[in-house]
Amino acid sequence: DSGVTQTPKHLITATGQRVTLRCSPRSGDLSVYWYQQSLDQGLQFLIQYYNGEERAKGNILERFSAQQFPDLHSELNLSSLELGDSALYFCASSPSGTIYEQYFGPGTRLTVT
Amino acid sequence: GNSVTQMEGPVTLSEEAFLTINCTYTATGYPSLFWYVQYPGEGLQLLLKATKADDKGSNKGFEATYRKETTSFHLEKGSVQVSDSAVYFCALRAMTAGNKLTFGGGTRVLVKP
Repeated sequence: DSGVTQTPKHLITATGQRVTLRCSPRSGDLSVYWYQQSLDQGLQFLIQYYNGEERAKGNILERFSAQQFPDLHSELNLSSLELGDSALYFCASSPSGTIYEQYFGPGTRLTVT
Repeated sequence: GNSVTQMEGPVTLSEEAFLTINCTYTATGYPSLFWYVQYPGEGLQLLLKATKADDKGSNKGFEATYRKETTSFHLEKGSVQVSDSAVYFCALRAMTAGNKLTFGGGTRVLVKP
């Protein structure tokens, strides 16, 4: 158990809908990262938050957004969903500073039908 | 940009066989290198890491050496077990790219009794 929790574990929704994925980092970790794992794109970095502020952006679509709250949990919002958004979405956390490794949550499997 | 290339799987082995998974990278600066493992239905777990040239990371019988001259970080294990069946991801973290991880495509390993 990495100490990173993600909810829900599975999510099935229809095209055009909007969903919110939630992540709670390890106790004391200030950074949260979101990654997408899909069959065609592999594991890709989406976005990073540090202590409530956006720190880095990767291949995140404009239909996707994220935020980190004062209690450090983070939410990834996916809107106008398309079939191609079906994937496993991972959250990871790390302490402050770039020398620390990231600890991954169990993921949320999103299926868009 | 930064990239990681690892051998495609699946790799099928018998128990007690020797395992090698090749990984090469392209990065600016001096990246840190990682191997993550994903067991069926689970998230990613850090297996080992190396932060500078000639460092050897090791854990659970797995080893990988950071070779700057060949830009490689091959994963090896001398005697695999059925429980080593998983997907293995090579990843890098380049200081010029913040703390985000860039992953290879993953290699599925299946160990048969």
